[in-house]
Amino acid sequence: LAKTTQPISMDSYEGQEVNITCSHNNIATNDYITWYQQFPSQGPRFIIQGYKTKVTNEVASLFIPADRKSSTLSLPRVSLSDTAVYYCLVKGAGSYQLTFGKGTKLSVIP
Amino acid sequence: GAGVSQSPRYKVTKRGQDVALRCDPISGHVSLYWYRQALGQGPEFLTYFNYEAQQDKSGLPNDRFSAERPEGSISTLTIQRTEQRDSAMYRCASSLGTTSYEQYFGPGTRLTVT
Repeated sequence: LAKTTQPISMDSYEGQEVNITCSHNNIATNDYITWYQQFPSQGPRFIIQGYKTKVTNEVASLFIPADRKSSTLSLPRVSLSDTAVYYCLVKGAGSYQLTFGKGTKLSVIP
Repeated sequence: GAGVSQSPRYKVTKRGQDVALRCDPISGHVSLYWYRQALGQGPEFLTYFNYEAQQDKSGLPNDRFSAERPEGSISTLTIQRTEQRDSAMYRCASSLGTTSYEQYFGPGTRLTVT
């Protein structure tokens, strides 16, 4: 399983764009990058997943460079309700297991 | 529709007692997973079911932990002879398919062993 490294914590003001970068140097060819969000007292929630280039949905964008050794989760114009822990995971296409690290604790400041 | 539910939400038990934690997955979801989450950490994989078959139990810490899903729906995680180190949040998740990226997590059961 590819190991991921991401910042332990980040602070941002409301209304700003937040970018959380994750490194996964030993990602395998059939691995996908997946991000989950976890609010206090709740279970993790799937945000977005991608293989390469850029993926966008109603919640976030995911940027993956050509070498795929890192990825960046972008949250546009964050609000207080985006305060949560964000987990970057690498998951094999044929794998069922999710391996969570410690995640990045994002604190949005008014 | 209804999400993943777990019961009880909180369980306090004395050391040495057995506990059973229940998970009711989203209807129609083939795959069911159990995780354990310590404070400040991400969830840690315990075991995985595909329908009623337990296909991976590599994450179960020791033989005091067992899980079943007899009819391919509701699952029970049982911890025998509980110890204080078993105290944690136990989370269940389900997904539509075996290799789905999107797993739906339940609210968890907070287990405290005194």
